[in-house]
Amino acid sequence: DTAVSQTPKYLVTQMGNDKSIKCEQNLGHDTMYWYKQDSKKFLKIMFSYNNKELIINETVPNRFSPKSPDKAHLNLHINSLELGDSAVYFCASSQAGGDSYEQYFGPGTRLTVT
Amino acid sequence: RKEVEQDPGPFNVPEGATVAFNCTYSNSASQSFFWYRQDCRKEPKLLMSVYSSGNEDGRFTAQLNRASQYISLLIRDSKLSDSATYLCVVPEGYSSASKIIFGSGTRLSIRP
Repeated sequence: DTAVSQTPKYLVTQMGNDKSIKCEQNLGHDTMYWYKQDSKKFLKIMFSYNNKELIINETVPNRFSPKSPDKAHLNLHINSLELGDSAVYFCASSQAGGDSYEQYFGPGTRLTVT
Repeated sequence: RKEVEQDPGPFNVPEGATVAFNCTYSNSASQSFFWYRQDCRKEPKLLMSVYSSGNEDGRFTAQLNRASQYISLLIRDSKLSDSATYLCVVPEGYSSASKIIFGSGTRLSIRP
């Protein structure tokens, strides 16, 4: 029944490692997002995909690479993890256009880099 | 001026009180606005949308002032369960490529 799911929920890893976070939505939405929420709780958009195409790519290190195999999935791969990557990463989806920008968020992935 | 700015709080009010907080935005072309609620260690969830002058849903009222470029959220008869961080959200446009800007949030704590 979960609308937007993310795995894993918690991720603890060492500097320099490569890790992936997966996101799936079963709402039939055409747009998916990755957000980063740092220790100051500021939620910032990283990427947005519409119908599997990258449409928003904020100033994010190229160690971060999103991949959307289909409309329902948007994964985030992070290479060479750094201490500053520690944060909560939220996936979200919406049906863009018209009057609705209601976003549905996943439960978040709490990444800790040691 | 920040794109979306909120008073971080915390607002600490007794149960039953009325509390209001504002959010200012810089993009005069923005047409739709949202309030999200985020509980501690949880994901944000949509609370209210504001498309014209305002919106009311039970104890919650959101108002838009286009001239001064701010939206407000009023909570009447506050409950303990209203304790959360309230995020102001402003899309920059209507297209799917439009950025969606989140404010840094206002923390609200309701005390018994």
